[in-house]
Amino acid sequence: NAGVTQTPKFQVLKTGQSMTLQCAQDMNHNSMYWYRQDPGMGLRLIYYSASEGTTDKGEVPNGYNVSRLNKREFSLRLESAAPSQTSVYFCASSDLRSEQYFGPGTRLTVT
Amino acid sequence: GDSVTQMEGPVTLSEEAFLTINCTYTATGYPSLFWYVQYPGEGLQLLLKATKADDKGSNKGFEATYRKETTSFHLEKGSVQVSDSAVYFCALSDRGGSYIPTFGRGTSLIVHP
Repeated sequence: NAGVTQTPKFQVLKTGQSMTLQCAQDMNHNSMYWYRQDPGMGLRLIYYSASEGTTDKGEVPNGYNVSRLNKREFSLRLESAAPSQTSVYFCASSDLRSEQYFGPGTRLTVT
Repeated sequence: GDSVTQMEGPVTLSEEAFLTINCTYTATGYPSLFWYVQYPGEGLQLLLKATKADDKGSNKGFEATYRKETTSFHLEKGSVQVSDSAVYFCALSDRGGSYIPTFGRGTSLIVHP
């Protein structure tokens, strides 16, 4: 069991570039989540998918889009990166309202 | 809405000292409660959980008891090690509510030899 995997681990973008962060889980969980973590801000939810075929906005969705490709995969897209999106991004999955399993994170720098 | 409040850090201790990290919550329903740990450069991982009042979760020498009367879930360890240095997050999942879990802001623990 790999658990939750994320790619890439590190990324540097220039302002205005686009990229997609990939996330996959092999635990057959229905729910998947994208968070960002910034110093002193804790975890902030960007988007989540309660089940395959549904996605909903979290606390900080502006500048991001998501796709729940299938039950295993949930991607996060930055269409036009901004320096304010410099952060560490975590994907997580869970059964309904149970504990979450987190990936190792993607460290993104936008210059 | 739901909320989790945990003590601000950093908490700095010497090895073998007793640890308490306070966590209190508000929830409209009947939540499950969790402690997660994040080691430097890694994602969060579940440390322990409790799903009903008076349950005690335990793992790796850490314990926390679900206290409904005081809406608390304080994390304790009798003797910390340098390897326990990490950030600890208290969280809840409201089983009658939304799909979105609620996290505290995290408490950094630094243990000196």
